[in-house]
Amino acid sequence: GEDVEQSLFLSVREGDSSVINCTYTDSSSTYLYWYKQEPGAGLQLLTYIFSNMDMKQDQRLTVLLNKKDKHLSLRIADTQTGDSAIYFCAEKSGNNNDMRFGAGTRLTVKP
Amino acid sequence: KAGVTQTPRYLIKTRGQQVTLSCSPISGHRSVSWYQQTPGQGLQFLFEYFSETQRNKGNFPGRFSGRQFSNSRSEMNVSTLELGDSALYLCASSWGSLNEKLFFGSGTQLSVL
Repeated sequence: GEDVEQSLFLSVREGDSSVINCTYTDSSSTYLYWYKQEPGAGLQLLTYIFSNMDMKQDQRLTVLLNKKDKHLSLRIADTQTGDSAIYFCAEKSGNNNDMRFGAGTRLTVKP
Repeated sequence: KAGVTQTPRYLIKTRGQQVTLSCSPISGHRSVSWYQQTPGQGLQFLFEYFSETQRNKGNFPGRFSGRQFSNSRSEMNVSTLELGDSALYLCASSWGSLNEKLFFGSGTQLSVL
């Protein structure tokens, strides 16, 4: 089946940039998303990108999409301790509108 | 505008019992999706409803069922609970039929003893 994969852990120092990577296999993907989950909470949509774009910037967040390699990344500039959370990559299939999520990357920001 | 509301927040049941979880979507949203989140399996899609019709279903046994009411509120039911059903159940709503953006509730944490 189609998969979304991302590394499980990332640790950075406060003030550094964080880069979370994701790969997917569905070539029909129309939208790709980044969600954030804090402890005890649901998923919060951070940003999303259309599959025909290669970059999107939103304040401290930069999303890069390499459609040829099916690689998506989320860069968080000037990472803060409040950014510590689990980040999920997700893609929406163009075939059946299914949303598929990665396993999540746990970002730890050290002071 | 109120967000997606899920009740109850926490639930403890024993094996063999059944449970009903409730989800109220954002006002105006007509699509509701349900996901099961566990540490081992991550987020797994259960089903999606749009205008009271189930549009899509994940790979879960028939013990898992759901429905959507005319006001877009949704319920999911799990019968004959098993220990492995312990999970965070997340509901998400979106405005239209294409699910461009999902907005999630805080979830119902179900523990099966």
